[in-house]
Formats: sequence, C-alpha cells, structure tokens
Amino acid sequence: AQSVAQPEDQVNVAEGNPLTVKCTYSVSGNPYLFWYVQYPNRGLQFLLKYITGDNLVKGSYGFEAEFNKSQTSFHLKKPSALVSDSALYFCAVRVLTGGGNKLTFGTGTQLKVEL
Amino acid sequence: GAGVSQSPSNKVTEKGKDVELRCDPISGHTALYWYRQSLGQGLEFLIYFQGNSAPDKSGLPSDRFSAERTGGSVSTLTIQRTQQEDSAVYLCASSSGLRGNTGELFFGEGSRLTVL
Repeated sequence: AQSVAQPEDQVNVAEGNPLTVKCTYSVSGNPYLFWYVQYPNRGLQFLLKYITGDNLVKGSYGFEAEFNKSQTSFHLKKPSALVSDSALYFCAVRVLTGGGNKLTFGTGTQLKVEL
Repeated sequence: GAGVSQSPSNKVTEKGKDVELRCDPISGHTALYWYRQSLGQGLEFLIYFQGNSAPDKSGLPSDRFSAERTGGSVSTLTIQRTQQEDSAVYLCASSSGLRGNTGELFFGEGSRLTVL
C-alpha cells in the first residue's frame, strides 16, 4: 500500500534558522509526493509537489523539498524560518484508485518557530 | 465561488442525532473528496467521487456514514446516530480528477462537528 510517514510530531526552530520537516514514503512505482500546510482553524493549503524531474522542488512561501529516491524521503525545507511559518505540515502521496486518484496523508508535523 | 465551500463551519449536536455536512466544490472539478481530521490525528480518507463513476467508499468508518453527490457538483456527508467519537473536523476537497492529473487537491476550511 502507498503510504507516507512523518516521524516527528513537533519541530521547534528559532526564527532565522533553517528548518527541516521530515517525510519518508513507501510506494510501488514512481511516487507523486506533496506537502500541504494547515494554519489554525483553516483548511489545507498546497505548498509543493514532486512528480518527476529535478529532485529539488520549490514551492510557496519560500519552501522547498528534496526528493531522495535512495532514502525514500521527501523532506520539506526552508533556509530561514519565520514565526509566521508556525503551522501543521502534512506530507502526502498520490494513490491511484478506480478512474482517478486520491491522496494519502501522513500524521502531520507541528512546526513552531520562536523568536 | 473561487474555492471549495463547506457548511456549516461549526455544528454542535447531541449524541444519537443525525447531521448533514455540505460541500460545494470548485466549479468544473469532477473529483470530490471527504476527509476527517480528529484532534491530534492526521487526515483520514472517507470517500471519493469521480464524475459518474461509483464512489470509492473504502474509508467510511461505519454504516452510519454515507455521502451523496447530486448533479456532479454539491456533496452532502450524512452521519446518522452520531457518537462522541464522531467529533472531528470534516474536510472536503476537489480536483480536476483526471487520472492523468498530478493529484493536487483543493481543500475547504472544514466543518467542525462536536457531539455532546
């Protein structure tokens, strides 16, 4: 079964420092991988996706993610964290089903950026 | 509207009552999804509609849960005889739905259900 794992429930980082939110995947075939962010009392917002091509994917709000096939990882990164980046982050993988597709999500990682 | 719209945004009900949650997807999107987010949990897939195809109901937790999609647009998620463990945020999402589509989903802001 296609799945993703987020090993950290929470990540704390100081503003201005680089941040990494970890995600590993288990899929058969080529993975389609996604990162979403959820701010308090809001729905999920798309950040970025990896389909094919360059292993470093750039997305919204200065975030990027690195696809690593040998380590089956897709970690989310940002060179310099902001307090406003504090939110819940979800990794997801596309699963083909019937005539279409759906996303299977990880359990989420709470990012807290402090001054 | 421009985005996925869900109503009500908040619903408080008594144990044993039935509830209906509504989702209005992005215009033109043929795929519609329901997910559940419980406190401290990730997103749990419930059901998926794609065009006129039979829905993928593999995530519905019990026969108290059902959903329909009328006219290929608006969807209603119904929970019968609600239980306290049904308390969660119910998120709806839509996408263009084509199998060749890369799979990005667009989410509404959710309906928070509290069962007393």
